[in-house]
Amino acid sequence: EDQVTQSPEALRLQEGESSSLNCSYTVSGLRGLFWYRQDPGKGPEFLFTLYSAGEEKEKERLKATLTKKESFLHITAPKPEDSATYLCAVVNTGGFKTIFGAGTRLFVKA
Amino acid sequence: DSGVTQTPKHLITATGQRVTLRCSPRSGDLSVYWYQQSLDQGLQFLIQYYNGEERAKGNILERFSAQQFPDLHSELNLSSLELGDSALYFCASSGTGRARNTNEQFFGPGTRLTVL
Repeated sequence: EDQVTQSPEALRLQEGESSSLNCSYTVSGLRGLFWYRQDPGKGPEFLFTLYSAGEEKEKERLKATLTKKESFLHITAPKPEDSATYLCAVVNTGGFKTIFGAGTRLFVKA
Repeated sequence: DSGVTQTPKHLITATGQRVTLRCSPRSGDLSVYWYQQSLDQGLQFLIQYYNGEERAKGNILERFSAQQFPDLHSELNLSSLELGDSALYFCASSGTGRARNTNEQFFGPGTRLTVL
C-alpha cells in the first residue's frame, strides 16, 4: 500500500537555525513528489515538485531533495514567517491518487 | 490567491442533512480534486475529476458524491451528515501540458463544515 510518513511531527527552531524535514514514501512507482506549505485554516500552497531521485529544487530559504525512498525539505536560516505546516504528497504511476503525509508543524521563534 | 474559489466559506448544518459544496478551478485547469481535512485525519484525498470524467477515487464515503460540469466547476454533495463529517473540505485544480502529466495542485481556501 502506498504510504507517506513525515518526521518530525513538530519542530521548534530559533530564527536562523537551519534544519531539515523528512518525508519517507512507499509507492508502487513514483509519478511525482510534492511539497506544500499550509497556514492554519488555509489551503495548502504549492512549493515544489520532484520527479526522480537526485533532483533538487530551491526557492528562497527552502531546498527540496529526492532519493528513491525519501525527500528532504531543507530550511536555511529560517525566519518567523516560515512557521507553518509543511506537507509532502506523492502520486503513483499506477493511478492518479494523491497521498499526503500528516505534515510537520514548524515553529520559528524570533 | 491560488485562483481556485470555493463556496460557501462556512456551513453549519444538522445531522442527517444534505449539503453541496462548490468549486471553481483556475482558468484553464481541467482537473479538480476534493479533499477532506480533519484534526485527527490530516488531508484525505476524496476524488478527482478530469474534464468532466471521474479519474481517481480515494477514501470517499458512499454518502458523498461529486461531479464536474461542462464549464469545469465541480460540486461535492454530502448527504446523511454525521457529526464526524465536520471538517475542512478543500478543492484543488491542476492543468495540463506538463511533460510527465503530473501536475501541481492549487488549492482553494476551503469550506468549513460543522455538523451539529
